[in-house]
Amino acid sequence: GNSVTQMEGPVTLSEEAFLTINCTYTATGYPSLFWYVQYPGEGLQLLLKATKADDKGSNKGFEATYRKETTSFHLEKGSVQVSDSAVYFCALSDRTGGFKTIFGAGTRLFVKA
Amino acid sequence: SQTIHQWPATLVQPVGSPLSLECTVEGTSNPNLYWYRQAAGRGLQLLFYSVGIGQISSEVPQNLSASRPQDRQFILSSKKLLLSDSGFYLCAWSVRGAQETQYFGPGTRLLVL
Repeated sequence: GNSVTQMEGPVTLSEEAFLTINCTYTATGYPSLFWYVQYPGEGLQLLLKATKADDKGSNKGFEATYRKETTSFHLEKGSVQVSDSAVYFCALSDRTGGFKTIFGAGTRLFVKA
Repeated sequence: SQTIHQWPATLVQPVGSPLSLECTVEGTSNPNLYWYRQAAGRGLQLLFYSVGIGQISSEVPQNLSASRPQDRQFILSSKKLLLSDSGFYLCAWSVRGAQETQYFGPGTRLLVL
């Protein structure tokens, strides 16, 4: 079945540091891939997505590239801010799974000033 | 624009008491609707999803149930709460026929004592 594996947290960085959160997936079809972000005490919101191989999703300085050959969708940001502190979820949605979204376990990011 | 509401925001209930959480969506018609639970420090667990009025699919057998009495209303219920029901409950919707991206409500934090 479909699954998503992302790196365990928490990840602690200083402001302006480079961020990478690793995400790999297993899917039987050709899924769309997503990163969602959850700020403290809130629901999830879509950060970025990519719908086919080699697509790059980007938003608010974050980027992720759909790598079919390595089944990965790693999240990156060149310079993090304190306001980026949140939990980040990698997810996939696959037509063969009835469009249900499979979420990773989440990675908590702390950014220190 | 579309908005999704959940209430209450926070709830403290004794073991064995009933539960009713409500979710409503505005600004769209015929949405797919979802209930997730997020235990402390854990990822998201899909509980129920609905593709139409009165149509409910359950992902995890447990003492919770869901109902969709109206197109844009989704209710999560329990007759007798367990300690293990504590968590953060999130409602989400997606566009029918383009179900990939999900839009989440602000969540309800439930503490069962």
